[in-house]
Amino acid sequence: QKEVEQDPGPLSVPEGAIVSLNCTYSNSAFQYFMWYRQYSRKGPELLMYTYSSGNKEDGRFTAQVDKSSKYISLFIRDSQPSDSATYLCAMSARGDSGSRLTFGEGTQLTVNP
Amino acid sequence: ETGVTQTPRHLVMGMTNKKSLKCEQHLGHNAMYWYKQSAKKPLELMFVYSLEERVENNSVPSRFSPECPNSSHLFLHLHTLQPEDSALYLCASSQDQTPTQYFGPGTRLTVL
Repeated sequence: QKEVEQDPGPLSVPEGAIVSLNCTYSNSAFQYFMWYRQYSRKGPELLMYTYSSGNKEDGRFTAQVDKSSKYISLFIRDSQPSDSATYLCAMSARGDSGSRLTFGEGTQLTVNP
Repeated sequence: ETGVTQTPRHLVMGMTNKKSLKCEQHLGHNAMYWYKQSAKKPLELMFVYSLEERVENNSVPSRFSPECPNSSHLFLHLHTLQPEDSALYLCASSQDQTPTQYFGPGTRLTVL
């Protein structure tokens, strides 16, 4: 069983739709949760960072963490064609530099104009 | 230059060649990482350097040899690679007390 499960998609939505991206995990020691966005032929770009359970909002993006269910989500409101990318969830058990990140496989999202 | 830079961006090499990938971070971070990204697979951590000391070697074959001469630079020396080593090689960096890592654009490696 993978430590982090993420539906690879592809996911295709119309412009303006609300997008929900999800990851589940099995390691209860994970405390730090991140979402990265990766455009084609580019490196991953940090989008959201959350510690422990709860919600975090940044503009059109909302990250949710439910540690009791070992489930994290990223919501994108009013999706735009520029949001078309692969979204990677990542998580860590430690908060210090040099700590290992475990990544999901990534979900490929296309937002159609 | 800002962020994390990597050179070259693309590399094609034969199985008997020796080449090096270079990474430089301009963020003042004290940890650097090499990852391998293959199609349909999660990012695979290869090496971690913290304060210029290698703290993790994730069972990577010896044909990959990292070098971290200072906290801003990281190299990955390649020799006698196999075609299955073809992938996107990503460098990242991070700072004390935070697990958030910042990635470079990657080197697209093709081994013939």
